[in-house]
Amino acid sequence: KAGVTQTPRYLIKTRGQQVTLSCSPISGHRSVSWYQQTPGQGLQFLFEYFSETQRNKGNFPGRFSGRQFSNSRSEMNVSTLELGDSALYLCASSLDGAGEQYFGPGTRLTVT
Amino acid sequence: GESVGLHLPTLSVQEGDNSIINCAYSNSASDYFIWYKQESGKGPQFIIDIRSNMDKRQGQRVTVLLNKTVKHLSLQIAATQPGDSAVYFCAENAGKNSGGSNYKLTFGKGTLLTVNP
Repeated sequence: KAGVTQTPRYLIKTRGQQVTLSCSPISGHRSVSWYQQTPGQGLQFLFEYFSETQRNKGNFPGRFSGRQFSNSRSEMNVSTLELGDSALYLCASSLDGAGEQYFGPGTRLTVT
Repeated sequence: GESVGLHLPTLSVQEGDNSIINCAYSNSASDYFIWYKQESGKGPQFIIDIRSNMDKRQGQRVTVLLNKTVKHLSLQIAATQPGDSAVYFCAENAGKNSGGSNYKLTFGKGTLLTVNP
């Protein structure tokens, strides 16, 4: 069974630009969660989607948004990028959001 | 806000020894706890979980202990191997909303485990 895949793996953007990251969950998994990982703040929850609906949201500004498609694939978007948005963005999938989560390798975003 | 923290940021052990990684949590409403292992360049990998109605759970070479009285979680790794070298995170879940999902993990800062051969 293939694991969680994230694309792209690395990305360099300029302040003010926007970015879209993609996550393909494990086949059969309907819950997708997104996390931001930085050395200073550690792993922080962004949001969780289940059956195309956002069920939970962390404490991030509205510049961070996401969506989930009918095939459970998910995207997250960050608009008006700031230097502080440089981080590893991790996606995790689970069957229904209440059990074991499987993480992808992450997308390393650098904002210059 | 609520947070999960770790007592030791780094832990160095000899190969073959047992390792104990500790974690304190502050949200008494948390009902589900998970330990993750993260190797360099990879996403976190699930190790073991425990629900609040238990105080101990064992896996392969790993044991998680939960003490709800003092809001403390620990991960014990038996016969630590070089391949166990990684950052270990504890996470708690206390997120519930009207949608029914209870999945909103709060992670600790992590402990770096180094295993010396």
